[in-house]
Amino acid sequence: QLQLQESGPGLVKPSETLSLTCTVSGGSISSSSYYWGWIRQPPGKGLEWIGSIYYSGSTYYNPSLKSRVTISVDTSKNQFSLKLSSVTAADTAVYYCARHPNNMVRGVSFDYWGQGTLVTVSS
Amino acid sequence: DIQMTQSPSSLSASVGDRVTITCRASQGISNSLAWYQQKPGKAPKLLLYAASRLESGVPSRFSGSGSGTDYTLTISSLQPEDFATYYCQQYYSTPPITFGQGTRLEIK
Repeated sequence: QLQLQESGPGLVKPSETLSLTCTVSGGSISSSSYYWGWIRQPPGKGLEWIGSIYYSGSTYYNPSLKSRVTISVDTSKNQFSLKLSSVTAADTAVYYCARHPNNMVRGVSFDYWGQGTLVTVSS
Repeated sequence: DIQMTQSPSSLSASVGDRVTITCRASQGISNSLAWYQQKPGKAPKLLLYAASRLESGVPSRFSGSGSGTDYTLTISSLQPEDFATYYCQQYYSTPPITFGQGTRLEIK
């Protein structure tokens, strides 16, 4: 059974860089069939897609965050990571990692999710 | 960006009721739509993709329909475990992938 697990600091200071890692188990991140993405959810609010990466390193980002986001992949560790720079209180959210297929039929539908990790931006 | 608007934002219903949630896109999305269920403190769960295709393991009381800009999620007979928040998400025009604001389904 595929599992995704987010890890990283739960508290980040304003203007610093938020860094999270998603570890994939029960399957290979190097599968050509899937992309791997990050989605966030501010407390009590809706979902916002941050960006996605393919095992080759190909990425696409939400334009609203693109200038501050970097997503990378480490296939040797079966992990992918998120860096969000210059954070403010508005970046406080639960951050989820998730998988979505790379095919026309299923499109970008997130079928496996991590449990999520709360990151608070505060001094 | 394609904006997704769900209605209602919240609704109250009883076990056994038939419930419909609507999602409207700001432009046609050609059935490139997914629906998710989210319970408090949990990650979203994929229910349907391609507007009407049921994800494996999801009960058949969930169904989806629609075309163009307007889509619906229907729960044919509400069960106690269905009380949750539901989100639609378009993937027709990306980036960005965009979600609706959510519909909170509460027990009457």
